Amino acid sequence: QQPVQSPQAVILREGEDAVINCSSSKALYSVHWYRQKHGEAPVFLMILLKGGEQKGHEKISASFNEKKQQSSLYLTASQLSYSGTYFCGTDSGAGSYQLTFGKGTKLSVIP
Amino acid sequence: DVKVTQSSRYLVKRTGEKVFLECVQDMDHENMFWYRQDPGLGLRLIYFSYDVKMKEKGDIPEGYSVSREKKERFSLILESASTNQTSMYLCASRGLAGAESYNEQFFGPGTRLTVL
Repeated sequence: QQPVQSPQAVILREGEDAVINCSSSKALYSVHWYRQKHGEAPVFLMILLKGGEQKGHEKISASFNEKKQQSSLYLTASQLSYSGTYFCGTDSGAGSYQLTFGKGTKLSVIP
Repeated sequence: DVKVTQSSRYLVKRTGEKVFLECVQDMDHENMFWYRQDPGLGLRLIYFSYDVKMKEKGDIPEGYSVSREKKERFSLILESASTNQTSMYLCASRGLAGAESYNEQFFGPGTRLTVL
């Protein structure tokens, strides 16, 4: 079952902050975040593991609440280059190899 | 530079044709995946393979089959293409569970297939 992402779309001005949420109905082992720019392949941003710490990548960070099976991606002081569609991918562990992706959140950063 | 490549960026086929989409990875990854991407639906898993000649159905396998004869190559086959299979197809690979390479899944550039 696909994780639920919110919001579906967001428009920001440069320098503004945004939060993208990812929620699953299943117990999770890890959450992966990807960004896809128009016409390109999704690119890995970060992984959050069960029992692990909050991660960061430049001005993009993420958290993972294992009890609630939720993850949030935080984008601070957004730049034009942050525009794209963000996907969370969830891994239930237990020997599974596959990620189940949400429907994506389209982020548009405007000058 | 690690890479997942797909045989075509754009493909146009007719209804009823047999279609082969090829994917090659150079990272010696055990796990390979085929997704289709449609607007508003995100990435949906069609099939995956965790070893040569091994395959598992994903969430939407109907109308598709796969082949993995070599570790680096994973093919998606549409036995009889239909218009509802018009989509973007993405291949991906990932290392062995427990290895560092398991944490990041690498995607190919995608094949935009149009079935007329």
